[in-house]
Amino acid sequence: QLQLQESGPGLVKPSETLSLTCTVSGGSISSSFYYWGWIRQPPGKGLEWIGSIYYSGSTYYKPSLKSRVTISVDTSKNQFSLKVRSVTAADTAVYYCARRPRIEGNWFDPWGQGNLVTVSS
Amino acid sequence: QSVLTQPPSVSGAPGQRVTISCTGSSSNIGAGYDVHWYQQLPGTAPKLLIYANSNRPSGVPDRFSGSKSGTSASLAITGLQAEDEADYYCQSYDSSLSVVFGGGTKLTVL
Repeated sequence: QLQLQESGPGLVKPSETLSLTCTVSGGSISSSFYYWGWIRQPPGKGLEWIGSIYYSGSTYYKPSLKSRVTISVDTSKNQFSLKVRSVTAADTAVYYCARRPRIEGNWFDPWGQGNLVTVSS
Repeated sequence: QSVLTQPPSVSGAPGQRVTISCTGSSSNIGAGYDVHWYQQLPGTAPKLLIYANSNRPSGVPDRFSGSKSGTSASLAITGLQAEDEADYYCQSYDSSLSVVFGGGTKLTVL
């Protein structure tokens, strides 16, 4: 059974870089059938897609976040990572990683349990 | 402001049927992109409920069903149960090259 687990600091200072890693277990991140994505949810608010990556390294970002976001993949560790630069309080959210089919559609399943990141000095 | 519009809340008594709407535009749902639905129980990660408009993943009860027409989609829940109390989100794709979500609907079981 495929599982995803986010990890990273829970507190980041304003203007610094938020870094999170998603570890995939029970399956290979190098599968040609899937993309891997990041979605976030500010406290008490809705979901926002950040971006997705294929095992080859091809990336797709939400246009409004593209200038501050980098998603990368490490197939040797079965992990993919998220970096958000120049963070502000508006980047405070629970960050989820999830898997997305490459061909059949763009739904996300399964999801990790989430990692709350607070931006504060 | 979310690209896809959902009612903030709906409610129903146990055993009743409720529907949650998801309204988009000609650049997303109306452009032919599929709609997917997620259930988020309090304090947990979202869980896929319906994919590609009307398909249920294995393990999702057939009390949950989805449909799509024009620029809108709907999630229907029949035989409402207390355990269905959660937030529900629709999701699609937009021609602006972005995955988009609805703002979420809180379902209260009376």
